[in-house]
Amino acid sequence: SQQGEEDPQALSIQEGENATMNCSYKTSINNLQWYRQNSGRGLVHLILIRSNEREKHSGRLRVTLDTSKKSSSLLITASRAADTASYFCATERDTGGFKTIFGAGTRLFVKA
Amino acid sequence: DVKVTQSSRYLVKRTGEKVFLECVQDMDHENMFWYRQDPGLGLRLIYFSYDVKMKEKGDIPEGYSVSREKKERFSLILESASTNQTSMYLCASSLDFLGTGPNEKLFFGSGTQLSVL
Repeated sequence: SQQGEEDPQALSIQEGENATMNCSYKTSINNLQWYRQNSGRGLVHLILIRSNEREKHSGRLRVTLDTSKKSSSLLITASRAADTASYFCATERDTGGFKTIFGAGTRLFVKA
Repeated sequence: DVKVTQSSRYLVKRTGEKVFLECVQDMDHENMFWYRQDPGLGLRLIYFSYDVKMKEKGDIPEGYSVSREKKERFSLILESASTNQTSMYLCASSLDFLGTGPNEKLFFGSGTQLSVL
């Protein structure tokens, strides 16, 4: 079973609006990462947040982590058409083994 | 920047053929991974390797094998391709495993879209 599950599956917003995507996971983790994938391409790492951190920023990205609720959120502020992509959270394998496991992703469409 | 290169962007093969997908990384990373990506299922781990000649099964290894003879190269082999192996295949590498060190992020290739007819 997948360790991370993103929500919503798809999101459509206007340029300039904020986009929020959520990720829930099942077992304790040390770190959680967010990746982005443009259509038909490989994934690109966006940000990593460690279990002892609650919030992290990188440019227009803000990631939060709530270990008590086993959830994380990715906020993209002032979205642009170029932010149109799929976004994935990634965590460790829930039964150990040092494997990075991805959820099914959130497809974000930003309308110009 | 790390570069992960997958040898083919698109491949079309016939059922029963032996298929080789090649991946090369240029940053001396210890760990390399093969994922397949299908709509609605996200990325699923097929195999990974943490050293030359070392390999570990991921979540869906059936029908696949791998080879890592050199540190920079990790090959995925479909012994006898079947139509249900039509998918996007993504190779990735990392210096550290997630949760084990400061260099945990994965670097991905651009992917190989494989169609098995």
